[in-house]
Amino acid sequence: SQTIHQWPATLVQPVGSPLSLECTVEGTSNPNLYWYRQAAGRGLQLLFYSVGIGQISSEVPQNLSASRPQDRQFILSSKKLLLSDSGFYLCAWITPGTDLYNEQFFGPGTRLTVL
Amino acid sequence: GNSVTQMEGPVTLSEEAFLTINCTYTATGYPSLFWYVQYPGEGLQLLLKATKADDKGSNKGFEATYRKETTSFHLEKGSVQVSDSAVYFCALTTNTGGFKTIFGAGTRLFVKA
Repeated sequence: SQTIHQWPATLVQPVGSPLSLECTVEGTSNPNLYWYRQAAGRGLQLLFYSVGIGQISSEVPQNLSASRPQDRQFILSSKKLLLSDSGFYLCAWITPGTDLYNEQFFGPGTRLTVL
Repeated sequence: GNSVTQMEGPVTLSEEAFLTINCTYTATGYPSLFWYVQYPGEGLQLLLKATKADDKGSNKGFEATYRKETTSFHLEKGSVQVSDSAVYFCALTTNTGGFKTIFGAGTRLFVKA
């Protein structure tokens, strides 16, 4: 069966520090991968999605970047965190070609607090 | 553009009360519609879905019907339980713009014993 892992689960970082959040998927090949941010009391904002290794699409201009060094690994990074980067970060995947009819599968999330 | 609008929360109900969470959408093409649920401290998980007009999705006592004429996908449950307390997200996926899923802002539900 497929599983999706995210780490760390929680993170407290000072403003201006770097960030690296990791997401890995098991049990599937060539998934489409997504990074979302959920700010407190708000919905999900799509940050990045990837349809393959090295292929990243950015949805909104921001202080973050994403990379996909391996088929089932998706990394969210920042060189210098801002206070506004605080939030709950969710990774998700879907089997390509089923996007229209099937659901995305979400990881457990990483709660990031920037102080 | 595509968008999803949900009723604002929080919604507070007593156990065994009837639940309705409204969701309307705007989309080009023919979207699939979803309800996701997020329990405290967790990621989202699918609650139910409908992929064409007049389809009814159902799961765990929850139901929602894809109404193309009113562009709605309201979530209902006849008798809520304390364990239903969570945040509920309405979402759509269309085949325009690369199969992106658009989420509503979420509605927090509190169920009191």
